[in-house]
Amino acid sequence: GDSVTQMEGPVTLSEEAFLTINCTYTATGYPSLFWYVQYPGEGLQLLLKATKADDKGSNKGFEATYRKETTSFHLEKGSVQVSDSAVYFCALASYEAGSYQLTFGKGTKLSVIP
Amino acid sequence: DAGVTQSPTHLIKTRGQQVTLRCSPKSGHDTVSWYQQALGQGPQFIFQYYEEEERQRGNFPDRFSGHQFPNYSSELNVNALLLGDSALYLCASSLQGGGEKLFFGSGTQLSVL
Repeated sequence: GDSVTQMEGPVTLSEEAFLTINCTYTATGYPSLFWYVQYPGEGLQLLLKATKADDKGSNKGFEATYRKETTSFHLEKGSVQVSDSAVYFCALASYEAGSYQLTFGKGTKLSVIP
Repeated sequence: DAGVTQSPTHLIKTRGQQVTLRCSPKSGHDTVSWYQQALGQGPQFIFQYYEEEERQRGNFPDRFSGHQFPNYSSELNVNALLLGDSALYLCASSLQGGGEKLFFGSGTQLSVL
C-alpha cells in the first residue's frame, strides 16, 4: 500500500536558519503530494501541495518540489522564524472508489529558538 | 464562513464504554472523512462518508462506525473502548469532485482510562 516516510524529529533551529525536512513516498501511480502543518492545540492546515512531477509548491516562504525520480517531496525554508514552530506532516493523496484519502507521515516537530 | 467544527473538544471515557464524536463540515462541503491521530504519530484514515454512505474505510475494526446526516454533518462512534483508542480524532470535509483538498477541524481529544 501507499506510505510516506519523513525524517524524524524533533528538529531545533535558531531563528533565520535554513530548514530542510526530508520526505519520501511509496505509491502506485502519481499521487498528489502535500505538506500540512499542525500548531499546538490545533488541527491540520494545508501548507503547500504539488500535483505532478517537477511541480513546486510554495507558501509562506516554504517550498517543496515533487521529484518523481527520487520519490521525494522535501520541505525547505530559507530563514525560519519562531512562529514556524509546529509539527509538519508530509502526505500523499490516493484516489479510490471515487474519492480521495490522505496517507500521512509520522510528522516532524520543529522548534525555532530566538 | 464557519470552517469544520468538531465537538466535544475533549472527552474522557473508561475502557468498555462507548463514545460519539460529532463533526459539522465546512459550508458547501458534502464529504466527511475521519482520521485518528495517536500521540506522536501522523493521522490515520478511518473512513469517509458521502451521500450518507460509507465510501471508503481504512484499517480499523468494526468497533468504529459512523453516520452522515442529510445536512452533511457526521458522527463517529466507537464501541467497547480500549486504552489504545486514546487519540486526537480529526474530521476533514471536502467537496466531492473538488479534488484532494481537505479542510480539517481542530479535533476531539479522547482519553480512555
